[in-house]
Amino acid sequence: QSVLTQPPSVSAAPGQKVTISCSGSSSNIGNNHVSWYEQFPGTAPKLLIFDNNKRPSGIPDRFSGSKSGTSATLAITGLQTGDEADYYCGAWDNSLSALLFGGGTKLTVL
Amino acid sequence: EVQLVESGGGLVQPGGSLRLSCVASGFTLSNYWMTWVRQAPGKGLEWVANIKQDGSTKYYVDSVKGRFTISRDNAKNSVFLQMDSLGAEDTAVYYCARGIATATSYWGQGTLVTVSS
Repeated sequence: QSVLTQPPSVSAAPGQKVTISCSGSSSNIGNNHVSWYEQFPGTAPKLLIFDNNKRPSGIPDRFSGSKSGTSATLAITGLQTGDEADYYCGAWDNSLSALLFGGGTKLTVL
Repeated sequence: EVQLVESGGGLVQPGGSLRLSCVASGFTLSNYWMTWVRQAPGKGLEWVANIKQDGSTKYYVDSVKGRFTISRDNAKNSVFLQMDSLGAEDTAVYYCARGIATATSYWGQGTLVTVSS
């Protein structure tokens, strides 16, 4: 049922910036807020971004989110090896009455 | 300290049932939508169901409709997921989450459900 599309993997060097895209449609991203989650192997996901571009308390400002039309982007600046994780976007879908997650993007910090 | 502790997972035969529990502490459960999300081994996240603060509204992913039931008992600080007619495709770690896309989002550590003969 996942109709949010993310790249399977992205990579960048320490200190650099990386962006992860999330593409949807008018029934989800186009008309609802997007959230982003970080997950390390063997642990529970953690919310990084909600309402497209807001950070929960404790999330560093190296993480930022944006949305345009039916797509959203997570940006991570000043990459650290500790940022190596899987990243998921999420949005409610009005047609399905369901919460959708993207397929996930594995970030490698080279 | 906020905590969500899931339990009830385990090995079950195809066609069997399990009831997952999520016990909340450190906050007032009745103030939050609650959600179950699952993750099959080596796969991505899949939303399963969520339930409104008073239990009056529930939503399910299509693949579990008619088989799974989400419920809550705010007086006992608990959320439940009754899972019937289980199949191999339901094998996953099941996470309980509070306010999944809000400033106060919090996830439990998950409980593993394995459906196998």
